[in-house]
Amino acid sequence: GENVEQHPSTLSVQEGDSAVIKCTYSDSASNYFPWYKQELGKGPQLIIDIRSNVGEKKDQRIAVTLNKTAKHFSLHITETQPEDSAVYFCAASDLNAGNMLTFGGGTRLMVKP
Amino acid sequence: SAVISQKPSRDICQRGTSLTIQCQVDSQVTMMFWYRQQPGQSLTLIATANQGSEATYESGFVIDKFPISRPNLTFSTLTVSNMSPEDSSIYLCSVVEGNGYTFGSGTRLTVV
Repeated sequence: GENVEQHPSTLSVQEGDSAVIKCTYSDSASNYFPWYKQELGKGPQLIIDIRSNVGEKKDQRIAVTLNKTAKHFSLHITETQPEDSAVYFCAASDLNAGNMLTFGGGTRLMVKP
Repeated sequence: SAVISQKPSRDICQRGTSLTIQCQVDSQVTMMFWYRQQPGQSLTLIATANQGSEATYESGFVIDKFPISRPNLTFSTLTVSNMSPEDSSIYLCSVVEGNGYTFGSGTRLTVV
């Protein structure tokens, strides 16, 4: 089955700096890679996703890159703000087959004002 | 995308009792997934529930402890049986559609 590893487990940045979180996956059949933000006491919220036919996707301050050959994908947050502080999870699945999502271990991002 | 109503949002239960969590989807979906998120941890799949068949459980999860019902294409329940403090977690249901996954808002369970 799929195995997703996520690094780092904690990340502290100064407000305005950039933050990068990296994930690797093992199953070459995976074709869908979402990122979720989870704030304290809440469920995970989708912030951006990318499919295997695309190398990069951007939405305002958030971008995701995918390297299918190396089986890794990354989340980039620019101009970080205190409200970006949360736990971020990457995940992978074979969406075409309707399979389950496999999650990475999570990254606790702290943005210091 | 689908909208999921998950109930209850939270509960505090006595050890040895059982709790049933419900997820209602506003559209028909083939597959529903149940996840557990233990404190400070990531989401782990408990089982996949298809309508009209037995749920498929992941390693470490058994039907006697986490019985699942899927009576139709819009509804599913997960029961946490004979609870112990180690079952204190957030439980989430999820569905998959062509454009991605939708999650319920979660059930925060505390076992005392």
